[in-house]
Amino acid sequence: EPEVTQTPSHQVTQMGQEVILRCVPISNHLYFYWYRQILGQKVEFLVSFYNNEISEKSEIFDDQFSVERPDGSNFTLKIRSTKLEDSAMYFCASSGLAGGGELFFGEGSRLTVL
Amino acid sequence: LAKTTQPISMDSYEGQEVNITCSHNNIATNDYITWYQQFPSQGPRFIIQGYKTKVTNEVASLFIPADRKSSTLSLPRVSLSDTAVYYCLGPQGNNRLAFGKGNQVVVIP
Repeated sequence: EPEVTQTPSHQVTQMGQEVILRCVPISNHLYFYWYRQILGQKVEFLVSFYNNEISEKSEIFDDQFSVERPDGSNFTLKIRSTKLEDSAMYFCASSGLAGGGELFFGEGSRLTVL
Repeated sequence: LAKTTQPISMDSYEGQEVNITCSHNNIATNDYITWYQQFPSQGPRFIIQGYKTKVTNEVASLFIPADRKSSTLSLPRVSLSDTAVYYCLGPQGNNRLAFGKGNQVVVIP
């Protein structure tokens, strides 16, 4: 069964450092998403991406965050200057349909900011 | 924006039916209602999706009343492996799918 893969599974970084989280969505999907989950809290929407541009973004997704699809397969989330409160699990998801289509999630990348 | 709200936690014995309800304030005409399951340290996993009335698959049933202001996920005869957090998901814009707070279901032997 096709799956979304994410790397790294866990990254530890110092406050102020740049971090790039990588995702390989399912190959024929067109819609891509990043979500964040702080330990013990709900899954929060960050951003959606379609046709090489951001479709929607949340209040969390400020100027420190950016997304990119540098080639035909990878979908990356960059945090320019990490803060302690960025420590969370970051989930990538992809879908073949917009809006109400089924989202396929990766296993997540755990980011720990010290 | 549509808003989804859910209760927090519930315990259930093995073999029982579990029903979880979600409110969908201001749901739009074209919005579908989707439910996901999440185990600890894993990504959410799709369970079921519906638009109105009743939908059933091999895992669960989803009941949506005529006004579509709520939905109820029904898990028949739960087992220990059904212990997880269950989320309803609602669109909040063109391509923004937001999770509710989630409902922790703990299945007790």
